[in-house]
Amino acid sequence: DTAVSQTPKYLVTQMGNDKSIKCEQNLGHDTMYWYKQDSKKFLKIMFSYNNKELIINETVPNRFSPKSPDKAHLNLHINSLELGDSAVYFCASSQAGLAGGYTGELFFGEGSRLTVL
Amino acid sequence: GESVGLHLPTLSVQEGDNSIINCAYSNSASDYFIWYKQESGKGPQFIIDIRSNMDKRQGQRVTVLLNKTVKHLSLQIAATQPGDSAVYFCAEIPFYGQNFVFGPGTRLSVLP
Repeated sequence: DTAVSQTPKYLVTQMGNDKSIKCEQNLGHDTMYWYKQDSKKFLKIMFSYNNKELIINETVPNRFSPKSPDKAHLNLHINSLELGDSAVYFCASSQAGLAGGYTGELFFGEGSRLTVL
Repeated sequence: GESVGLHLPTLSVQEGDNSIINCAYSNSASDYFIWYKQESGKGPQFIIDIRSNMDKRQGQRVTVLLNKTVKHLSLQIAATQPGDSAVYFCAEIPFYGQNFVFGPGTRLSVLP
């Protein structure tokens, strides 16, 4: 059983298109995240949801819109894709919520590599 | 601004030797630190963590050292094996943290 699973694993698309990445966790965690990893492997948080509520929304273009239908799912929708959006997007989850001051260990998915042509 | 990590992109070690991966953090109030390992094509995986009230913690073949005086974190891997080849990230959370801040990563290459 995959603890944090995200689909698709690879996504190749043209500039200007809209695409979605889905994420599901079966760990019963309260908090889920989206991270972006650039070509230099730098990991940066984009969003965090705790029990379906948005907690963190870093400086991310509003073309990126997360949606959490329930606490086990956090999807990422991207409108009007740009070349600079090419990256690997990681979904993650953790047990503790951010309201407690800090989170526990992050469990990451395998990543979704997005290539914008 | 926030920044974690020394720019040490690649470390090459001989199989069987010990590896030391270093990380500097900028926030003296940071309370919790984790080392992650990311293998090619996979997501980061937890290796070991340490809280600010400790200066050393040991796991299986790995040891994390925390020097709060100079805001430095290190990961020591004993008897490095080919399977240890990966990118290693340190991550910190400030005491009233909003999120993990990841370092830039260090690529460890194990030479036969």
